[in-house]
Amino acid sequence: QKEVEQDPGPLSVPEGAIVSLNCTYSNSAFQYFMWYRQYSRKGPELLMYTYSSGNKEDGRFTAQVDKSSKYISLFIRDSQPSDSATYLCAIPKAAGNKLTFGGGTRVLVKP
Amino acid sequence: NAGVMQNPRHLVRRRGQEARLRCSPMKGHSHVYWYRQLPEEGLKFMVYLQKENIIDESGMPKERFSAEFPKEGPSILRIQQVVRGDSAAYFCASSPRAGDGGNQPQHFGDGTRLSIL
Repeated sequence: QKEVEQDPGPLSVPEGAIVSLNCTYSNSAFQYFMWYRQYSRKGPELLMYTYSSGNKEDGRFTAQVDKSSKYISLFIRDSQPSDSATYLCAIPKAAGNKLTFGGGTRVLVKP
Repeated sequence: NAGVMQNPRHLVRRRGQEARLRCSPMKGHSHVYWYRQLPEEGLKFMVYLQKENIIDESGMPKERFSAEFPKEGPSILRIQQVVRGDSAAYFCASSPRAGDGGNQPQHFGDGTRLSIL
């Protein structure tokens, strides 16, 4: 079993819809959870950064962590064509700071 | 991804040659991480360095790959005697301090795309 799993998509939605992205992880010791956005031919850009369970909101983005289920989510409200990208969940190892990434979900928002 | 600078953006090498990839971290950041993204695969950790020290190289292939982060200048990822399988995007990230279980987010550069002929 991979440490972090993510549906590769692609996920295609109409402009204005809510985009729902998910990751599952295997190690209950993980404490911090991150979401990155990666445009084609670019590096990952940090979107959201959360600690432990609960919700965190930043503009159109909401990150949720459910540690009891080892499940993390990212919601994008009022999606725009500019949100079309690959979204990566990432979890740092408890010892040290190296990130374990999910495989990424490709999102396409159609105008 | 302003801040973390990687060069070159694209690098073409023939099999057997050496590839040197450079990374300048964000201003004020003294911790550097290298990741590799193979075609159709996710990002995989390679090595974590502080100035003049390798902290964790558990993701580095045992042969041909090395990394350094000298007191002065950029971090360098060096691949000797490159093979076709080394073709990938190599990303560098930096953080201001060591993470304590992950509490220091990493900021990425735009990568170097290495192609082996």
